[in-house]
Amino acid sequence: GESVGLHLPTLSVQEGDNSIINCAYSNSASDYFIWYKQESGKGPQFIIDIRSNMDKRQGQRVTVLLNKTVKHLSLQIAATQPGDSAVYFCAENTRQAGTALIFGKGTTLSVSS
Amino acid sequence: DTEVTQTPKHLVMGMTNKKSLKCEQHMGHRAMYWYKQKAKKPPELMFVYSYEKLSINESVPSRFSPECPNSSLLNLHLHALQPEDSALYLCASSPLPGGAYEQYFGPGTRLTVT
Repeated sequence: GESVGLHLPTLSVQEGDNSIINCAYSNSASDYFIWYKQESGKGPQFIIDIRSNMDKRQGQRVTVLLNKTVKHLSLQIAATQPGDSAVYFCAENTRQAGTALIFGKGTTLSVSS
Repeated sequence: DTEVTQTPKHLVMGMTNKKSLKCEQHMGHRAMYWYKQKAKKPPELMFVYSYEKLSINESVPSRFSPECPNSSLLNLHLHALQPEDSALYLCASSPLPGGAYEQYFGPGTRLTVT
């Protein structure tokens, strides 16, 4: 069954606010996590990833936090822009051969001007 | 070239038709994937090819038949589909098989079965 899920199906923010999207996972063996952004009519687009030997990783305007103790992953978007409006999926995997990404349910982020 | 391409973008087919979806990548990736995505849902894994060999089949009905002619191409042959098979079909690739690598997704083929 699905081992990765998101806490909120939708999140609405004002332009310029910081956004936090959360994800819980249940497989303690998972050691690789990815956040994807999917805009309407497009395929998922890689945002940022993190491996289990890290707690935090930063990109351009985005930060991913990993809390292995409570099996929680979050994506922080700084100074959210209208172009950030999309569905955000977390995904997890293990390093074992013969495995594939498991996606969470997704959070729809709506940014208003 | 860092993209995965898929053709066609849209496809409408009847339940008795035979059609194929195509996927191509020129990043030298050795793992390729087919996913099915329904509206407002996450992608669901269908098939995984590792080094041009089928390595994972997630109990997909036989009316979906994957093919990997070479390391750059991935096809999905469709026959006798049902209306509930209407969905966005996504192709993805990763540098190597296994779970420690980012998957790059194509734009998808929007399939409608009438």
